[in-house]
Amino acid sequence: DTEVTQTPKHLVMGMTNKKSLKCEQHMGHRAMYWYKQKAKKPPELMFVYSYEKLSINESVPSRFSPECPNSSLLNLHLHALQPEDSALYLCASSQEPGSWTEAFFGQGTRLTVV
Amino acid sequence: DAKTTQPNSMESNEEEPVHLPCNHSTISGTDYIHWYRQLPSQGPEYVIHGLTSNVNNRMASLAIAEDRKSSTLILHRATLRDAAVYYCILRDRGNTPLVFGKGTRLSVIA
Repeated sequence: DTEVTQTPKHLVMGMTNKKSLKCEQHMGHRAMYWYKQKAKKPPELMFVYSYEKLSINESVPSRFSPECPNSSLLNLHLHALQPEDSALYLCASSQEPGSWTEAFFGQGTRLTVV
Repeated sequence: DAKTTQPNSMESNEEEPVHLPCNHSTISGTDYIHWYRQLPSQGPEYVIHGLTSNVNNRMASLAIAEDRKSSTLILHRATLRDAAVYYCILRDRGNTPLVFGKGTRLSVIA
């Protein structure tokens, strides 16, 4: 199983809502990542978890709150988002955080903030 | 992360080889060269990576210049399914995640 599964595939939320994105992998990977991708742009790194601990936060606003409950799961909690936060949110995982390991990406959650 | 420079777009005919260039003149000795691609409406997928020697796998070949200041991703026979954005990424030996540049949008013509 070389899949990274993201749910939901699509999400529409209001600016006062609280929602969560979920990412799951069963490859035994110890590094997990959140990326944000706007239309026609490359993915932008948001967070990195290494061995279930947050190791990198790319100055992401606090309305995005990541959580890694265990080594297979990664959540992204959303609260008080703005319309400009509408984007494709991608989750990825790799065996180790190092540069020699291949990263596997999910299909993404397409988020629309209204 | 060291920067890479790729053409914005390229076009290829189906079943012909494609050479996708990447310049990385400021590469350091510990930087690995990674290639990922992103098909329409999908997440990125790994293609290949290397350090110094040329590399081959079932998807593609990676040719690395002797001075390592440039590399070329080679798709031996392009298919319509290879139409995607191809990203050339440098990662040093440390604990660094993937940081994407603008990439090259490859179109394949039947």
